[in-house]
Amino acid sequence: QKEVEQNSGPLSVPEGAIASLNCTYSDRVSQSFFWYRQYSGKSPELIMSIYSNGDKEDGRFTAQLNKASQYVSLLIRDSQPSDSATYLCAVNIDLLANAGGTSYGKLTFGQGTILTVHP
Amino acid sequence: GAVVSQHPSWVICKSGTSVKIECRSLDFQATTMFWYRQFPKQSLMLMATSNEGSKATYEQGVEKDKFLINHASLTLSTLTVTSAHPEDSSFYICSARPTSGSFYEQYFGPGTRLTVT
Repeated sequence: QKEVEQNSGPLSVPEGAIASLNCTYSDRVSQSFFWYRQYSGKSPELIMSIYSNGDKEDGRFTAQLNKASQYVSLLIRDSQPSDSATYLCAVNIDLLANAGGTSYGKLTFGQGTILTVHP
Repeated sequence: GAVVSQHPSWVICKSGTSVKIECRSLDFQATTMFWYRQFPKQSLMLMATSNEGSKATYEQGVEKDKFLINHASLTLSTLTVTSAHPEDSSFYICSARPTSGSFYEQYFGPGTRLTVT
C-alpha cells in the first residue's frame, strides 16, 4: 500500500462547479497535511495546509481532514479554467520522528490528481 | 513572502560534465532544504534532505557520490550532478522549510530543467 494515495484522474468539471479532490494516507501519526498545485512545466505551489480535524477555508478552497479515517480532501468552489492543473497531496510522514528521533519535516507526496475545468 | 529561487532555470550540458544548481531562500532562513527530481508525467521524487552545516541525508537508491549536496548557509543549498549522463536529464526542484515555521510547510523553487546530451 502506498503511503499517500490520490486518484490520478483526470477529473473534469465544468466552469463554476465544485471540484472535489481526495487523498488517503497510511501513517496514523501524521500531523501535517498540505495541498500543492502544479501547472504543467512548473514547480509545485502551496495552496492549503491543515493540521487539525475539520474544515479549513481559504477563499474558494476548503481543505477537510479526518484523522480517524486517514483522509484529507480539497474542495474548489466556483472552479475556473485557470484551476486546471495537477493537485498534489502531501503528508508529513517521518519515520525518524516516529521512532523518537529528530524530524526534518520530510513530506511524502501522492501521485497527483489532474484537474481539468472546461468552459 | 516565502520565496525560493533556483539558478539556473535550465541547463544543457554534455555527457560526462558536472552541473551545479543553486537553491536560495530569499526572504527567510531555512535550516532544512530538500531536493526533488521529477520526470515527465510523474510525481515528485525526493532525492535528499539537506541540513545547514551537516551532511545531507539521501533517499534509498540515490547515489550520494553522484549528487553532491552542500548546505553552507541558512539561505543556500547547492546540488551538483557529477559526470552527468542522458538518464540524469530531468526537472530538479528544491524546496525550503522556514526555520521559524512550524508544521513542516515547504516552499518550492521554480525548478531547473537539466538536459544532458
